[in-house]
Amino acid sequence: KAGVTQTPRYLIKTRGQQVTLSCSPISGHRSVSWYQQTPGQGLQFLFEYFSETQRNKGNFPGRFSGRQFSNSRSEMNVSTLELGDSALYLCASSPDAQGAGNTIYFGEGSWLTVV
Amino acid sequence: AQKITQTQPGMFVQEKEAVTLDCTYDTSDQSYGLFWYKQPSSGEMIFLIYQGSYDEQNATEGRYSLNFQKARKSANLVISASQLGDSAMYFCAMRETGGTSYGKLTFGQGTILTVHP
Repeated sequence: KAGVTQTPRYLIKTRGQQVTLSCSPISGHRSVSWYQQTPGQGLQFLFEYFSETQRNKGNFPGRFSGRQFSNSRSEMNVSTLELGDSALYLCASSPDAQGAGNTIYFGEGSWLTVV
Repeated sequence: AQKITQTQPGMFVQEKEAVTLDCTYDTSDQSYGLFWYKQPSSGEMIFLIYQGSYDEQNATEGRYSLNFQKARKSANLVISASQLGDSAMYFCAMRETGGTSYGKLTFGQGTILTVHP
C-alpha cells in the first residue's frame, strides 16, 4: 500500500514568486492536512481538507491557500513568497478526521527554500 | 498556552538500553488522541504509536510503548532495546475533537535522541 506522496521534494524559489506543492494521500484516505515546519516555530498547522472542503485553517496569512480534488489529492499554494516561507512543508492523511482515533500518516515533505 | 510540552531537548542512550521520552499535554476535551512520531534528518515524519483518551490499556507497537497517565496528563514514549537507527527527533502530538482544534495535530517542541554504540 503506497504511503503519502509529496512532490516536489526539494525546490528553490525567488522572493515574490509563487509555489504549488502537491500531496497524494494514502488510498482510501479522505482527510488531508498540511503543516509548516521551521526551526524557529516548530510544526504549525496550515489547513485541513476533507471531501474537497476546507474544515479547519491555521493562523497563516491569505498568501497560503490550498485545495483538494475529488480523488482526495491536495495542493497547497503560497503566493508572493517571502524569505520566512523557507520551510519543510508536510502533508498528512487520515481516513477521516472525525474523532480522535484515526491514525495520521505523513509524507516525506517538501523542502522549500526562498532566496 | 502550550498544549504539548516535551521538556527534554536532547537525550542520550546506550545501544540496547531502554529510554523514556517525556510528554505532557493540556486539553479540556474528553476525547482526544495522542501520537508519537519519529523524524530522521531526511524530514519524513514516521508514525510510531497512538493512544486514545478512552483506551484503558497502554499502547504498544513492537519496541515502542506509550506510558499513558491520564490524571497526570502525560504520555511518555518508551523505546526498549535502542538501536543506532533510533537516533532522530521525536515529536509528541495531540489531536482534539472540539472547537477550532478540529482535525489538526498540535505538536511539542521535539526531543533529539542520540543512540551511542
